[in-house]
Amino acid sequence: EAQVTQNPRYLITVTGKKLTVTCSQNMNHEYMSWYRQDPGLGLRQIYYSMNVEVTDKGDVPEGYKVSRKEKRNFPLILESPSPNQTSLYFCASSSGSPSYEQYFGPGTRLTVT
Amino acid sequence: EDKVVQSPLSLVVHEGDTVTLNCSYEVTNFRSLLWYKQEKKAPTFLFMLTSSGIEKKSGRLSSILDKKELFSILNITATQTGDSAIYLCAVEVYNFNKFYFGSGTKLNVKP
Repeated sequence: EAQVTQNPRYLITVTGKKLTVTCSQNMNHEYMSWYRQDPGLGLRQIYYSMNVEVTDKGDVPEGYKVSRKEKRNFPLILESPSPNQTSLYFCASSSGSPSYEQYFGPGTRLTVT
Repeated sequence: EDKVVQSPLSLVVHEGDTVTLNCSYEVTNFRSLLWYKQEKKAPTFLFMLTSSGIEKKSGRLSSILDKKELFSILNITATQTGDSAIYLCAVEVYNFNKFYFGSGTKLNVKP
């Protein structure tokens, strides 16, 4: 089954404790993205990747890091989480041309206390 | 500053009504506009629009793009309670895979 998976699905952590949210897709997609969703703000893109070792900043990259060492995986790293990073996070992937339809993972709800 | 604005923010209708959701945008290097439906989980893809004036249709849903006036509409006819969701509009710019989303329209269809 074609899918995007994220782990963990729920996470409660404390300020400053480094964490990684994993994202994996099994569709051989070139393009992958991370978004955060906050009430009233819609989805905001954090980072995106056009291929292995090619990443770029989205709208709200501060406080986040990513890496793309393999095509299928695109982890999101919070080196020193803060309460304002409490949010719902989505990973997405797409194949690119001709359609940029994005397939979204199930979401990770992160709470930073 | 690139931005995407959706209206209305929320809408309550009754089954059988027709609704029109709006999405306007101001971005540099527009490439495409996409509509998504989000229920209590991840967004699911509805339409992708790249050319003005060409209607995309899927069942009771349809959408059209006006690149001159910088907006798109999503129409839903004969609404059903299953159409209740947040509808998101996103614009892709020519950095490929760089997207700007609107804040969404929350649609509530009452029986």
